[in-house]
Amino acid sequence: QKEVEQNSGPLSVPEGAIASLNCTYSDRVSQSFFWYRQYSGKSPELIMSIYSNGDKEDGRFTAQLNKASQYVSLLIRDSQPSDSATYLCAVKVGNDMRFGAGTRLTVKP
Amino acid sequence: DTAVSQTPKYLVTQMGNDKSIKCEQNLGHDTMYWYKQDSKKFLKIMFSYNNKELIINETVPNRFSPKSPDKAHLNLHINSLELGDSAVYFCASSLRTSGYEQYFGPGTRLTVT
Repeated sequence: QKEVEQNSGPLSVPEGAIASLNCTYSDRVSQSFFWYRQYSGKSPELIMSIYSNGDKEDGRFTAQLNKASQYVSLLIRDSQPSDSATYLCAVKVGNDMRFGAGTRLTVKP
Repeated sequence: DTAVSQTPKYLVTQMGNDKSIKCEQNLGHDTMYWYKQDSKKFLKIMFSYNNKELIINETVPNRFSPKSPDKAHLNLHINSLELGDSAVYFCASSLRTSGYEQYFGPGTRLTVT
């Protein structure tokens, strides 16, 4: 089983819709969870971090964490074409950061 | 006011050569990392240094040798380059080792011919 799993996509949503990105992880002692956005040819850019169960909102982004289910998600409200990118889920266990393979999101005008 | 910088941005070289990539951060972070992102876009950690000391050394060929002269710099030297080393190499830094967000440099695209 992969340590951090994401649906590779592509996920396509129309402009203005909600995009929902999901991630599951295998290590129960994982403490810190992150979402990164990576545009083609660019470096990963931190969007959100979440450390405790529940929801965390920042502008159009909401991260959701459920440690019992080992599940973390990212919702993007009012999706814009500029949100089209690959979204990487990352899970930190101690000193180690493990990344998922990423979900490619396309927002169509 | 670049946070994490890497040089060079592109590196094209032949098999068997030795090359280095440099990384610097001006964020005052204690921990720095090297990642490799292959053609399938999978991002995998290679090394982590905390205050100039190696704390993570994943299963990486010993042709790869990191060096941290001070906590703001982490360089990567690669000996006897192979075709499979072609990838994008990202440097990153975080305030501390555990639980903190990592910030990435712009990447170095290495092509071995």
